[in-house]
Amino acid sequence: GAGVSQSPSNKVTEKGKDVELRCDPISGHTALYWYRQSLGQGLEFLIYFQGNSAPDKSGLPSDRFSAERTGGSVSTLTIQRTQQEDSAVYLCASSLRVASSYEQYFGPGTRLTVT
Amino acid sequence: QKEVEQNSGPLSVPEGAIASLNCTYSDRGSQSFFWYRQYSGKSPELIMSIYSNGDKEDGRFTAQLNKASQYVSLLIRDSQPSDSATYLCAVNLGYGQNFVFGPGTRLSVLP
Repeated sequence: GAGVSQSPSNKVTEKGKDVELRCDPISGHTALYWYRQSLGQGLEFLIYFQGNSAPDKSGLPSDRFSAERTGGSVSTLTIQRTQQEDSAVYLCASSLRVASSYEQYFGPGTRLTVT
Repeated sequence: QKEVEQNSGPLSVPEGAIASLNCTYSDRGSQSFFWYRQYSGKSPELIMSIYSNGDKEDGRFTAQLNKASQYVSLLIRDSQPSDSATYLCAVNLGYGQNFVFGPGTRLSVLP
């Protein structure tokens, strides 16, 4: 079946502009995660949605970052007033519990460049 | 603070050898453990998951978990140049909890 999809694949924006990144999880997956990966660095957790529960926003680096998930499916990560340090690959992942297994699958990512 | 640690590498092994990748974690309540492979410029790809102590084999890959020692490893047998990538260890406290990733180990398989 279809995997996690993200759009756009690349985004170049000017400092100070707002950007929206989209994630379509695997159909039926109840959990959705956003991560950020700067060049040569590890994965930085941003936010996590699980079903209808309140999202875990503990990883958002500042109040310029926000995310929502509509209808328990598609999610949008919004970065307001972008800064050069926001340049990174933004990765989305989704997972579903099947018995005792709940593996997480990643989308291809959105490469954000702030000039 | 939940932490997952890995040697950053690079770990270099000759083609055909066994590559051994190690990961330790700090939270004793961790329930599930995952290995991801990430090629340069690509997103992480799940290669193994393990939930109970012992070994789990899948093709050339074997994951080993020792919860008492808070240690999980990945063995790659008959390493191929195509296995050259960064390997990420991830730990989860249980369903409904976040995943915590290690910094990754860069593996280089030399032809």
